[in-house]
Amino acid sequence: AQTVTQSQPEMSVQEAETVTLSCTYDTSESDYYLFWYKQPPSRQMILVIRQEAYKQQNATENRFSVNFQKAAKSFSLKISDSQLGDAAMYFCAYRTGSSNTGKLIFGQGTTLQVKP
Amino acid sequence: NAGVTQTPKFQVLKTGQSMTLQCAQDMNHEYMSWYRQDPGMGLRLIHYSVGAGITDQGEVPNGYNVSRSTTEDFPLRLLSAAPSQTSVYFCASSYSGTARLGYTFGSGTRLTVV
Repeated sequence: AQTVTQSQPEMSVQEAETVTLSCTYDTSESDYYLFWYKQPPSRQMILVIRQEAYKQQNATENRFSVNFQKAAKSFSLKISDSQLGDAAMYFCAYRTGSSNTGKLIFGQGTTLQVKP
Repeated sequence: NAGVTQTPKFQVLKTGQSMTLQCAQDMNHEYMSWYRQDPGMGLRLIHYSVGAGITDQGEVPNGYNVSRSTTEDFPLRLLSAAPSQTSVYFCASSYSGTARLGYTFGSGTRLTVV
């Protein structure tokens, strides 16, 4: 069974600085998808970025980028030029590409604090 | 507005009571699923469905029932509420293929069982 681990329950960053959130996963599959979701205090789940495992190039969305290390099964999220609005809980998630179930497997979450 | 609608947003139940959490989507998504969120445990899958009439168990199905009679609706039933079911519940939906990969989540239901 696949598992996703986020080993940092809490992180903090100074406004305008860069922070990296860690995520590791365990799978025997070669075809899968990885996601980072943001959950602000409103509770809404917001997709930040996604990565297809077959793509070697790391995904980037504006100030958000990932470091995808397939062999190491690592999928970290880098937030550049942190803003107060980035304060939230962040979840790493995995979806298999080999079966049609649509199931997402989530990590435990990392709470990010942004200090002004 | 297109999206996933969950009702209610908040609910307090007494132990042993039953209730149904409603979830509806208007995007013609094939896949729908229910998750519960607990501190330090992330979101865990309760039940999921790949289409009308088809449901299956996730990681933590005990104490919950689902059915999917239409593509749009996927209600979650608590038959006899227990304090261990105090949690925040999310419904999510997505297309079946990976060409348009993306999940839409409802706004969640905070359930307290006393």
